[in-house]
Amino acid sequence: AQTVTQSQPEMSVQEAETVTLSCTYDTSESDYYLFWYKQPPSRQMILVIRQEAYKQQNATENRFSVNFQKAAKSFSLKISDSQLGDAAMYFCASFKASGTYKYIFGTGTRLKVLA
Amino acid sequence: GAVVSQHPSWVICKSGTSVKIECRSLDFQATTMFWYRQFPKQSLMLMATSNEGSKATYEQGVEKDKFLINHASLTLSTLTVTSAHPEDSSFYICSARTERQPNSPLHFGNGTRLTVT
Repeated sequence: AQTVTQSQPEMSVQEAETVTLSCTYDTSESDYYLFWYKQPPSRQMILVIRQEAYKQQNATENRFSVNFQKAAKSFSLKISDSQLGDAAMYFCASFKASGTYKYIFGTGTRLKVLA
Repeated sequence: GAVVSQHPSWVICKSGTSVKIECRSLDFQATTMFWYRQFPKQSLMLMATSNEGSKATYEQGVEKDKFLINHASLTLSTLTVTSAHPEDSSFYICSARTERQPNSPLHFGNGTRLTVT
């Protein structure tokens, strides 16, 4: 079974500083993908970044990057130069790319950005 | 980019009535659609997965007779909450993906806030 765990219910970061959100997952699959989604107060789910499990290189999207540790089944999100607009709930998700396609989400981390 | 339209964005209904929520992929063919339920300040709970033209696969604990899911075309899936009760009040989110790109992310609708009085 797929599981995704986010151990930080809430995090705070000063504007312009860097913050790392943690995520661990468990899967027996060899072919899977990992994602970070952002949910602002509007509740629209927005894709932040994605990582293919078969790629060793960590994904990067502008100020967002991941630290993908496959052996440790860890997938943390680093936000650099935090902005007020980054304040939101962040969900880590895993996707099994075979058989019954299914996305599983973690419990989320609420990020507060302090001015 | 891929757009998923979910309608209505909010609905209030009386206990015992049924409510239909529509989820449409506007510019791509959604081979698979997922329906999630989200309680306040909680994560997204997968309710069911639907593939075009076949019966939906429900997650454990989700009543398939209460939450009817239809995926009749590659661009439309509907969730009908039958005989709604106050405990069904929640935020429902649909999402869609196309299997033409295995690593394509989920594209989400804006969600529907259901209030049952």
